[in-house]
Amino acid sequence: NAGVTQTPKFQVLKTGQSMTLQCAQDMNHEYMSWYRQDPGMGLRLIHYSVGAGITDQGEVPNGYNVSRSTTEDFPLRLLSAAPSQTSVYFCASSTQIQGRYGYTFGSGTRLTVV
Amino acid sequence: GDSVTQMEGPVTLSEEAFLTINCTYTATGYPSLFWYVQYPGEGLQLLLKATKADDKGSNKGFEATYRKETTSFHLEKGSVQVSDSAVYFCALSDQPGGFKTIFGAGTRLFVKA
Repeated sequence: NAGVTQTPKFQVLKTGQSMTLQCAQDMNHEYMSWYRQDPGMGLRLIHYSVGAGITDQGEVPNGYNVSRSTTEDFPLRLLSAAPSQTSVYFCASSTQIQGRYGYTFGSGTRLTVV
Repeated sequence: GDSVTQMEGPVTLSEEAFLTINCTYTATGYPSLFWYVQYPGEGLQLLLKATKADDKGSNKGFEATYRKETTSFHLEKGSVQVSDSAVYFCALSDQPGGFKTIFGAGTRLFVKA
């Protein structure tokens, strides 16, 4: 089925460990974004990309890196995990082609840092 | 900067009751406005959108009208069902295609049978 695929669904890390959250979309969307969701705070933008090879920082980029080597993939790297990065992470894609607006979201990765 | 404020929850209603979730925004330009819904354990789904003033977005019995004069985008439904229980997010974007979206904190809705 077409959509946004995130892996893994759940992850537990120890403080200081690094890992990569994977995100892939098969809709040929030009825009992709990473958000984190914390209770009472809605979703906050971490990084986003407007096309292959182009990325930029969002509201809360510290401690995270991204790259976009292909249109389909947009991995999020945690460099040295901290307990403050315990959250649910969502990847989303969108397009302005054919006047469409709004994100298609993945199902999320629940990350716990101990 | 741009921001979205929505009513705090939880909102608890009986089945077939009328629903209103208030949302106001602050933006320097003319953003597109969205409502997203999140069911337990899932990602967000786009519920409806409006891209310019006085537009009405609608989907699955939900409606919201883009009111520029009051900077509001309130979500309404005439008769809620138990299956509408979820968290609802108001959001805005001033980017083409709706990326770089700013979200409100979310309002949890419980509908009792």
